[in-house]
Amino acid sequence: GAGVSQSPSNKVTEKGKDVELRCDPISGHTALYWYRQSLGQGLEFLIYFQGNSAPDKSGLPSDRFSAERTGGSVSTLTIQRTQQEDSAVYLCASSFQHQRGGVETQYFGPGTRLLVL
Amino acid sequence: AQRVTQPEKLLSVFKGAPVELKCNYSYSGSPELFWYVQYSRQRLQLLLRHISRESIKGFTADLNKGETSFHLKKPFAQEEDSAMYYCALSGAGWGKLQFGAGTQVVVTP
Repeated sequence: GAGVSQSPSNKVTEKGKDVELRCDPISGHTALYWYRQSLGQGLEFLIYFQGNSAPDKSGLPSDRFSAERTGGSVSTLTIQRTQQEDSAVYLCASSFQHQRGGVETQYFGPGTRLLVL
Repeated sequence: AQRVTQPEKLLSVFKGAPVELKCNYSYSGSPELFWYVQYSRQRLQLLLRHISRESIKGFTADLNKGETSFHLKKPFAQEEDSAMYYCALSGAGWGKLQFGAGTQVVVTP
């Protein structure tokens, strides 16, 4: 079946503009994760959704970052007033429902490469 | 605080030689450890996880709780093993993965 998809694949924006990144998880996966991959920081966790709620937002770097998920499916990561340090590859992953006491395998999308000029 | 350490940024090996990627972790609870791999121009994908005790593409990894390590090994490296490898940690109730900095493996003929 189809894997996790993300759009756009590349985004170039000017400093100060807002951007929206989209993630379509694998059908049937109720858990969804956002990560950021950058040269200086490696792979960092941003936020995790179980259904439409976000029990863990601890990785969001500032209040300029927000994410939502609707219908238990598509998620949007929004970055307001972008800064040059926001330049990175933003990865989305999904998994089956995270069970208490267990960890489900996460399947990753191809990422959105964001460049802030 | 939990932490994953991959001490080698780059590992260069000859085809047919053994390869070992080191991963150490710190976590006070019962860990779940993973190895993810990213081949050139491909998405990040799971290579193996410790609870599966599988050998994938000839790779194995053993969780050593005493040494808090989860090193990845392959006895005979192949050119197609050239990729970026990430060790990752999760814990019960976490959801998220905590990744190491990654090790770039280059296998030369």
